[in-house]
Amino acid sequence: EAGVVQSPRYKIIEKKQPVAFWCNPISGHNTLYWYRQNLGQGPELLIRYENEEAVDDSQLPKDRFSAERLKGVDSTLKIQPAELGDSAVYLCASSLGGTGNTIYFGEGSWLTVV
Amino acid sequence: DQQVKQNSPSLSVQEGRISILNCDYTNSMFDYFLWYKKYPAEGPTFLISISSIKDKNEDGRFTVFLNKSAKHLSLHIVPSQPGDSAVYFCAARRGNQGGKLIFGQGTELSVKP
Repeated sequence: EAGVVQSPRYKIIEKKQPVAFWCNPISGHNTLYWYRQNLGQGPELLIRYENEEAVDDSQLPKDRFSAERLKGVDSTLKIQPAELGDSAVYLCASSLGGTGNTIYFGEGSWLTVV
Repeated sequence: DQQVKQNSPSLSVQEGRISILNCDYTNSMFDYFLWYKKYPAEGPTFLISISSIKDKNEDGRFTVFLNKSAKHLSLHIVPSQPGDSAVYFCAARRGNQGGKLIFGQGTELSVKP
């Protein structure tokens, strides 16, 4: 069974440019997460979807970050415009519905803003 | 406010010996705890978990212990193998917050042959 798939794996952009990350969760997983991991830190939740609904976006910087999961399957996370401090690994994860289910992570999209 | 803390950024252990990774938390509302393992350039991989109603969970070479009164959990790896060398993240979850995980900063384990 395929795991969580993310693209691109690596991206280098200049500040003020836009960037987008794509995620395809594990088949059948209705819960999708975007986490951000800064160097030397643990992942931090940006947004959580239950199907196509964003049920927790309290830590998403909404002035420059946006996300969508239109059909309740794959998802896109966008940053516009990017800032130097956005350099991080953006991790997508998915799980079956319910609080007791394991969260599976993708390999991450590594962003460097120069 | 760091609700989940891993105070040791690194740990070095000899192959065959026990590795003990520690994690402290501050929020008494957490009811589920997990350990994830991360290799370089890969995403975190689920390792083992424990519910707050238990004090121990074992899976092969990996055992997690939970001390609720001390708000402390630990991961024991016995015996340690070179392939266990990775960054280990402790994470916690509140039941009423769905799947939202709060992660610690991670501990880098190095198992030397």
